[in-house]
Amino acid sequence: DIQMTQSPSSLSASVGDRVIITCRASQTITNYLNWYQQKPGKAPNLLIYAATTLESGVPSRFSGSGSGTDFSLTITSLQPEDFATYYCQQSFTSPALSFGGGTKVEIK
Amino acid sequence: EVQLLESGGGLVQPGGSLRLSCAASGFTFRNYAMSWVRQAPGKGLEWVSAISAGGFSRSYADSVKGRFTISRDNSNDTLYLELKSLRADDTALYYCAESSGYYEAFDLWGQGTMVTVSS
Repeated sequence: DIQMTQSPSSLSASVGDRVIITCRASQTITNYLNWYQQKPGKAPNLLIYAATTLESGVPSRFSGSGSGTDFSLTITSLQPEDFATYYCQQSFTSPALSFGGGTKVEIK
Repeated sequence: EVQLLESGGGLVQPGGSLRLSCAASGFTFRNYAMSWVRQAPGKGLEWVSAISAGGFSRSYADSVKGRFTISRDNSNDTLYLELKSLRADDTALYYCAESSGYYEAFDLWGQGTMVTVSS
């Protein structure tokens, strides 16, 4: 099984900050990596798929990078509505899938 | 409106069984692979099970293999998850989700149905 490790598990940031969340796979997953945002009491929302492709309707301040085993999600100029928990998910071993442990972005 | 609506959750005793349903609407359900993803209270997301568009291929997380069964009825646009031999650590909010595209990203989620396993 492929393990997905996110870091940090939580962070505090201010509005306008640049935030980077990393996700590491235990073995190569090429670019089969998706990112989600989840707000309290809500279902997750797809942000980025295929490691770098922005889902339709997602603000351009979100971007993804990486391939192989190391990936990152960057939020440039953090907005109030971006305070949430973020998850990476690999689909390299489809149909068996797995998520990272999540990164909670809190207000400083 | 494109949506997924889960039902069937509830309180069940350890060792008990439950069947979850997920009704799809607003899209061609039979064309999409579907999954169940769960989230224990205060915890992260855990993929549970997936089924191919035609229902011929099924996959399970090790934590539920042999106890849970995924199925679908494409004539009624409904996804199911049969839960048996339930344990306390199966307590979670269970989401159904549609995965689309080559990279199987979950671009449509339901609101979830809560399963609580307790005596």
